Amino acid sequence: EIVLTQSPGILSLSPGERATLSCRASQSVTSNYLAWYQQKPGQAPRLLIYGASRRATGIPDRFSGSGSGTDFILTISRLEPEDFAVFYCQQYGSSPNSFGQGTKLEI
Amino acid sequence: QVQLQESGPGLVKPSETLSLSCAVSGDSISSRSYYGAWIRQPPGKGPEWIGTIFYRGDTYYSPSLKGRVAISVDTSKNLFFLKLSSVTAADTAVYFCVRQARVLLRFGEPSPGYYESWGQGALVTVS
Repeated sequence: EIVLTQSPGILSLSPGERATLSCRASQSVTSNYLAWYQQKPGQAPRLLIYGASRRATGIPDRFSGSGSGTDFILTISRLEPEDFAVFYCQQYGSSPNSFGQGTKLEI
Repeated sequence: QVQLQESGPGLVKPSETLSLSCAVSGDSISSRSYYGAWIRQPPGKGPEWIGTIFYRGDTYYSPSLKGRVAISVDTSKNLFFLKLSSVTAADTAVYFCVRQARVLLRFGEPSPGYYESWGQGALVTVS
């Protein structure tokens, strides 16, 4: 099973700043099949990015994904107040698919 | 608009079987690309994949839960189901039903991929 390690565990930033979240895989992710999700308290996760860099429908362009192989990045270019949440990466190129442990983005 | 809605008992006794259903609206489980999945999230922890079913009944299960889990589908009612047997307190979690996207692997074979539509989740407590 591929283990995904996210860093940092907690990221403290202010609205208007740039956020950079990391997801590192224990082995190469097939076809860069990596997704990012945002989860707010009491809600289900929401798909942001799939295929490492493709934005899901309705996701603002301040969210972008990059990376390949074992190292992936989620960037939020200019934080809005509604962006603060927990973010998870997930790989789906190998079975079983797996999630990272999450990064909490706090104000 | 695609909607998924979980339903079932919120409290299950240890050693018994947890049973949940997922009602899908705005979409058809009978479509040839439909993968329905169950994911759970223990309090304060990250999501964990439980298993996935393809519209025609093919199933994929997490190795850590295989042997205790069964997922089934009723395409005529646009429902899919989860059964988890011999539950313990460690199975206490919010359980989500999710539509999983169809992706193509390296040699063109279809496979379940990322999670594109989620239900709101159902808290199940084992006690």
